[in-house]
Amino acid sequence: QLQLQESGPGLVKPSETLSLTCTVSGGSISSSNYYWGWIRQPPGKGLEWIGSIYYSGSTYYNPSLKSRVTISVDTSKNQFSLKLSSVTAADTAVYFCARQGVVAVSYSDYWGQGTLVTVSS
Amino acid sequence: EIVLTQSPGTLSLSPGERATLSCRASQSVSSRYLAWYQQKPGQAPRLLIYGAASRATGIPDRFSGSGSGTDFTLTISRLAPEDFAVYYCQQYGSSPVTFGQGTRLEIK
Repeated sequence: QLQLQESGPGLVKPSETLSLTCTVSGGSISSSNYYWGWIRQPPGKGLEWIGSIYYSGSTYYNPSLKSRVTISVDTSKNQFSLKLSSVTAADTAVYFCARQGVVAVSYSDYWGQGTLVTVSS
Repeated sequence: EIVLTQSPGTLSLSPGERATLSCRASQSVSSRYLAWYQQKPGQAPRLLIYGAASRATGIPDRFSGSGSGTDFTLTISRLAPEDFAVYYCQQYGSSPVTFGQGTRLEIK
């Protein structure tokens, strides 16, 4: 059974960089034809797609966040990561990693449990 | 980007009743690339429907999706106690992927 697990600091200071990692188990990132993505949800609000990556390193980002987002993949560790720079309180959210479809723009069928990141000094 | 508007914001029904949730897109969603998710408090969203009408693995057949173009519907034929949650639609026909604001299904 495929499982995804987010990890990283739960508290980030304003103007700093948020860094999260998603570890995939029960399947290999590089042996499948899926994209892997990040989605966030501010407390009490809806969902926002951040971006996706293929095991080869091809990335697709939400234009609203593109200038601040970097998603990378480490196939040797079966992980992919998110970096969001210059954070503000508006970036406080639960961040989910998820498996997406065989194209970059797709639905998500497996999700991590999510991790709350609070931006505060 | 495509804006999805879900209605109603909150739906109050009793177990055993039929639920009809609506998702309207600001422009046509190509190839019926519309998905529905269920989310319970403290949990990740759970994929219910993709391709507007295809049930995801393990989803009970009381859940069904329909629609095309700009108007889509999620129907739950007979509400079970575990169905009370927030439901989101998502379009993936064009980038960026976007979600609706959600419909809260609560027990009446």
